[in-house]
Order: sequence, then C-alpha cells, then structure tokens
Amino acid sequence: DAGITQSPRYKITETGRQVTLMCHQTWSHSYMFWYRQDLGHGLRLIYYSAAADITDKGEVPDGYVVSRSKTENFPLTLESATRSQTSVYFCASSETFGRGNTEAFFGQGTRLTVV
Amino acid sequence: RKEVEQDPGPFNVPEGATVAFNCTYSNSASQSFFWYRQDCRKEPKLLMSVYSSGNEDGRFTAQLNRASQYISLLIRDSKLSDSATYLCVVNLYSGAGSYQLTFGKGTKLSVIP
Repeated sequence: DAGITQSPRYKITETGRQVTLMCHQTWSHSYMFWYRQDLGHGLRLIYYSAAADITDKGEVPDGYVVSRSKTENFPLTLESATRSQTSVYFCASSETFGRGNTEAFFGQGTRLTVV
Repeated sequence: RKEVEQDPGPFNVPEGATVAFNCTYSNSASQSFFWYRQDCRKEPKLLMSVYSSGNEDGRFTAQLNRASQYISLLIRDSKLSDSATYLCVVNLYSGAGSYQLTFGKGTKLSVIP
C-alpha cells in the first residue's frame, strides 16, 4: 500500500540492547524525520534527512543513529537502549521543505518500551 | 524557553460551542505555520496551514500575527468528532538549506454532548 509505514508497531526490549525501528515511504519524498513523543514534552525531533545519504541532528539525537542509503527508507537505531528511551516514535516524510506550506505525513508510530 | 508554546488545556466545551486556541513562537525567522490534529494514540495529521492573511476551512479559522509571533485556531459549532489534541507547528529555517518542523506540546480539546 502507498504511504508511510513503520515497523514494528510495538516493541519491548531490555536495557543495553540495540534495537532498530524501521520507516518506509512509497512517495519518494525527499525529506524524512524521526520524532519521539513523551507526556509533558510533546513531539521532539531526533534526526532528519533532506535526501539519501544526507542526515542531520534534531533536538534530541543522543543515543540514536540513523542512516538513509535509499530515499524510501529511514531506519532509526538505538545503539544501547535505556529506560529513558521508552517512548512513542513517529516517522514522517515530506515532498519538499522550505518556505512553502508543505505537509508532513506521519507513520502510525512505534511504541517502544525499554525494561 | 520552548520555541513553540501552547496552553495544554484541557478545554472541555459543549457541542455547538466556539473555542479558540492560541500559540506563540519564539523565533522570528520561522517561515511557515500549521495546525495539526492528533487523536488519542494516533499519528498527527495536518489540519490546516496558517497564513498571515488568515484562512478558513469550514468551521475552522486560523490566524497568524507575525509581529506578535502569535498563531490562533478558532473552531465554531464544535462537534464531538473535534475532540482531539491540536498541535501548533512552526517550520523554522535552521541554516545551510535546512528546515525543521517544531511542534508545540498540544492543546487537548474535549467536546461534551
């Protein structure tokens, strides 16, 4: 199906383990983003990418790694999961970005629990 | 100071009421502005863009005041289906051709029968 999909939808992992959250979009959007959403903080940008092989840090990048070898995929890796990384993670994509009023489309989210 | 600030609510209003949400942003270099809607445990979705001239989409009216760095959303004739969290979003130019969407924490609306 067309759109933006995240996997897994739910994940429980142990402290110290590496875990990768997947994000795939079928629109060939240039821009992709990873956000985390926590009570009291709202949505905070972790990393974003303007195109394949171009990534940049957002507001809360520590403890996360991203890559973008293909336009359609933007995986997020927690190198050594900590309890503070328990959150809902949203991936988003956008066709262009800049001065124009460009919509960002979000995946359904991944609920990650680190125990 | 948070870059985008909103009253978290909750706003509890009866069906048919008019309700207004406000939002302020701190960076005058912000380029574009939006309201997103997020239903409980779902992903955010674009409700409407916000223009300096003000814009309307059915029962929803958005306003932007660049001088005051203030954004508003007015919902008329509230419906039960309007119950959600409304996110104020600002697109900020962060240099070197990069832009970042920055979200407010959201304002929760509950429309009561």
